[in-house]
Amino acid sequence: GAGVSQSPSNKVTEKGKDVELRCDPISGHTALYWYRQSLGQGLEFLIYFQGNSAPDKSGLPSDRFSAERTGGSVSTLTIQRTQQEDSAVYLCASSFRTGPKPYEQYFGPGTRLTVT
Amino acid sequence: GEDVEQSLFLSVREGDSSVINCTYTDSSSTYLYWYKQEPGAGLQLLTYIFSNMDMKQDQRLTVLLNKKDKHLSLRIADTQTGDSAIYFCAESMGGGYQKVTFGIGTKLQVIP
Repeated sequence: GAGVSQSPSNKVTEKGKDVELRCDPISGHTALYWYRQSLGQGLEFLIYFQGNSAPDKSGLPSDRFSAERTGGSVSTLTIQRTQQEDSAVYLCASSFRTGPKPYEQYFGPGTRLTVT
Repeated sequence: GEDVEQSLFLSVREGDSSVINCTYTDSSSTYLYWYKQEPGAGLQLLTYIFSNMDMKQDQRLTVLLNKKDKHLSLRIADTQTGDSAIYFCAESMGGGYQKVTFGIGTKLQVIP
């Protein structure tokens, strides 16, 4: 079946502009995660959505970052007034809350964001 | 807080065994994972182990867990060029909350 998809695959933007990154999780997955992968860094947790519960936003680096998940499915990560240090690959993942492999996260291919 | 550490780079010859090591700090970690990231792709779960296990074997992959030392390793037998990738160690507490903490990743280079 279809995996996690993300769009765009690449985004180049000017410093100060806002960007929106989209994630389509696997159908039926109730949990959705956003991570940031910077050059030479591991995966940095940003935000986690689980069903109708309040999201865990503890990883968002600043108030310029926000995310929504509409209808329990598609999610959008918005970065306002982008800065050069926001340049990274933004990865989205989804997982079942329960199931044979309840803790496997399925990752999308990522969006490479370059802020010039 | 949680912290996962691993070495940055490992180089092995094709056919040899690879051992990638990881240490973690959170003694309440319940699940430990190894993910693989091939160039230009997202992460893919390779294997995972529950903290009440010492070892798990899956074809060419062997995971060893030393809970006392908070040390996790991934052994790849008969390493192939297709195994060249970045390998991430990760841990989570489970208990219904699935926040996973990832290490920085170990880049495995397989020399033909």
